[in-house]
Parts: sequence; C-alpha cells; structure tokens
Amino acid sequence: AQSVTQLDSHVSVSEGTPVLLRCNYSSSYSPSLFWYVQHPNKGLQLLLKYTSAATLVKGINGFEAEFKKSETSFHLTKPSAHMSDAAEYFCVVSDAGSSYKLIFGSGTRLLVRP
Amino acid sequence: NAGVTQTPKFQVLKTGQSMTLQCAQDMNHNSMYWYRQDPGMGLRLIYYSASEGTTDKGEVPNGYNVSRLNKREFSLRLESAAPSQTSVYFCASSGTGGEVNQPQHFGDGTRLSIL
Repeated sequence: AQSVTQLDSHVSVSEGTPVLLRCNYSSSYSPSLFWYVQHPNKGLQLLLKYTSAATLVKGINGFEAEFKKSETSFHLTKPSAHMSDAAEYFCVVSDAGSSYKLIFGSGTRLLVRP
Repeated sequence: NAGVTQTPKFQVLKTGQSMTLQCAQDMNHNSMYWYRQDPGMGLRLIYYSASEGTTDKGEVPNGYNVSRLNKREFSLRLESAAPSQTSVYFCASSGTGGEVNQPQHFGDGTRLSIL
C-alpha cells in the first residue's frame, strides 16, 4: 500500500535562510509525488509534481524537490525563506491502484521568523 | 477565473440536522473529489467521481452521500449530522487529458461545526 510520512510536524527558520521539509514515501510502484501548500483559511495549491521525468523538480515560488528512489524520499527545499512562505505543506503520493486517488501526509507547518 | 467554488464557507449545525455542501468547477475537469481535513491528519478522501455519472467511496465515506449533478457540480450531503463530522471540507477537481496523475485543484473549503 502507498503511504507518505512527513518527518517534521513543525519547522521554524529565519527569513533569508534555507528551507528543508522532509518527506518519505512507501510505494511498490513508480509513484507520482506532489507537494501542496496551504495558507490559512485557504485551499491547497500545487507547488510541484514528480511523474518519473527529471528527478529534480522545480516548482513555483522558488521551491524545488528531489526524488531519490534509493532513499524513498522527496524532500522540499528553498534556498532563501520569505515571510510569505509561512504556511502548511503537504507531501502527497498518488495511489498506484487508481490514478484518481491521492494519499496525503499529515503536513508540516513552516514558521518564518523575521 | 474562479476554479473550484464551494458554498457555504461556514456553517453551524445541530446534531441530527441534514445539510448539503455544494461544489462547482469551471475548468471542464472530469474528476471531482470531496475531502475532510482534521488537525494533524492531512486530508482524507470521502468520495470521488472519476467522471460524470460515476461516484465511488474513498477512505471515510460513512455518514455521507454524494451526487454528481453534471460535469461541473459535485455535492456532498450529511443526512444526520454528528459531532464527529465537525471538520473542514474541501472539494477538488482534476482533468484527465490523457495524462495520469493530474494534479488536483482545490476550493477554499467549508468550515462545518456540529453541536
């Protein structure tokens, strides 16, 4: 069965410093992986997706993620945090049994200190 | 450029009352979804509709029903609301376009409290 684990429930960084949000997945197939962001009282917005093309995926707002099959990881990074990056981030894997279903991690809340 | 629109945005119900949450998308997507979001649990799929005229259960369907009214609209009904259904409900849609694993587009949510 597919599953996804976000290793940190909260991450705190200073503005201008790098961001690392960690995600491990479990899949017996070649998965499709996504990162979504949720700002307060808003729906989820797609940051980036991996679908077996390049292992380094660039997304919106300067975020990127690297797919590492040997480590079953898909960590999200950004070189320099901005105050507007404060939000909750979800790592998501597609259900191999159905291309329609997504399996969500429990989320990582990113706090950016001035 | 509305995307996915959910109504209402907020609602308070008493235990045992019924309610329908509405969702409409204007992106000509085939697939639509209903999720609930509870603290520390990410999003859990309640029901989905892969195409007009079809619906299927997700991870947590008990206590809910859905209707895919047409290609644009997908409603979620609580027949007899219970306090355990207090949550934030999100509707989402995705296209197929011949490509599997299309990303899903989300509405802003309905915050539902059941007393």
